[in-house]
Parts: sequence; structure tokens; C-alpha cells
Amino acid sequence: AQKITQTQPGMFVQEKEAVTLDCTYDTSDPSYGLFWYKQPSSGEMIFLIYQGSYDQQNATEGRYSLNFQKARKSANLVISASQLGDSAMYFCAMREGPNTGKLIFGQGTTLQVKP
Amino acid sequence: EAQVTQNPRYLITVTGKKLTVTCSQNMNHEYMSWYRQDPGLGLRQIYYSMNVEVTDKGDVPEGYKVSRKEKRNFPLILESPSPNQTSLYFCASSLSGQLYGYTFGSGTRLTVV
Repeated sequence: AQKITQTQPGMFVQEKEAVTLDCTYDTSDPSYGLFWYKQPSSGEMIFLIYQGSYDQQNATEGRYSLNFQKARKSANLVISASQLGDSAMYFCAMREGPNTGKLIFGQGTTLQVKP
Repeated sequence: EAQVTQNPRYLITVTGKKLTVTCSQNMNHEYMSWYRQDPGLGLRQIYYSMNVEVTDKGDVPEGYKVSRKEKRNFPLILESPSPNQTSLYFCASSLSGQLYGYTFGSGTRLTVV
């Protein structure tokens, strides 16, 4: 059965430093997508970055990059040059393809950026 | 503006009083879904719909009903709410396929007393 695990309930990072948020997944489907979402204290869910199971290169979106290690089934989010506005809850999620509406989430990691 | 709109944002109700949370999307997405978020548990999927009149259970469907009579709307119905359904609820929509994540509404904070 598909599963997403985020083992870091909370993380601290100094402003302007990089931080890695861990995510491991389990699936038997060779075709899947991995997603990271940000949830600030205001509560909305904001899509950050996507990685497809067949993608050869790691995804990047501005200061966000995804360290995708398929053999290890990990999809860690790297945030470079942390900003105070990055303080939020971060969720890793997975969707198996191609015709399913199931998007499952990990438990989330709370990131606090220190000035 | 492309968005998912859910209402109300906040709702306090009493045990057993039927309620409906509405959800609408303007992106012509095939898929729509409902999630609940509880501390320490992340987001758990309640139901999802692949298209009009096609729905399927997620991981926590007990106590909830949904219907998809129009492509843009996907209401969540609690026929007899109980206190353990106090939660933050999100509606979301997406295109078909694993390439696409869901776009989320702003959330509905439901309290059942």
C-alpha cells in the first residue's frame, strides 16, 4: 500500500541558511508523482514543487529543489537561503498514476526560521 | 482567477444537525476531493470524484457523504455530525493523472459541540 513518511515533526533553521526536509515513500506503482506543499499559519495549502517518477533530473523551483533518490524512495525538499516567510508546515504527498484521485500526505514538518 | 471556493470558512454546529459544506472550482478540473486535517495526522482524504456522478472513498469516508452532479461542484455532507468530526476541512481539485497535484480551497474549520 502507498505510504508517505515525514520523520521530522519540527525543524529550526537560521535565516539565509539551507534546510532539508525529509520525505520517504512507499509504492508498488512504477508511475507516480511526488509533491510538496506549504501551509503557513494562515492555513492555506500552497503547492511548491513536483517530481515525476520517470523524471531524470531533480525538480527545482526558485529556492526550492527536490532531492529525488528513487532507489531509496526518498524525495527530500531543500530550501536554500531560508527566509522568515518560510516558517510554516510542509507536507510531502504522492499520487499514483495514471487514473486515480488518491493523493496521500505525510504527517508534515513544522519549519521555523530564526532571524 | 483560477480557484477552489469552499464555504463557509468557519462553522460551529451541534451534534446530529445535518450540514453541508459547499465547494466549487472554475478550472474545469476532472477530479475533486475532500480532505480533513487533524494535528499530528496530516491531511487525510475523505472522498474523491473522477467526474460527474463518479465518486470513490478515500481513507476516512465514515460519517460523510458527497455528490457530484455538476463538474464544478462537489459538496460535502455530514448527515449527523459528531464531535470527532471537528476538524479543518479542505476541498481540492485537479486535472487527471499523476503529473498533477490538487489545488486547494481555503479550508473550513468545523466545530461540532
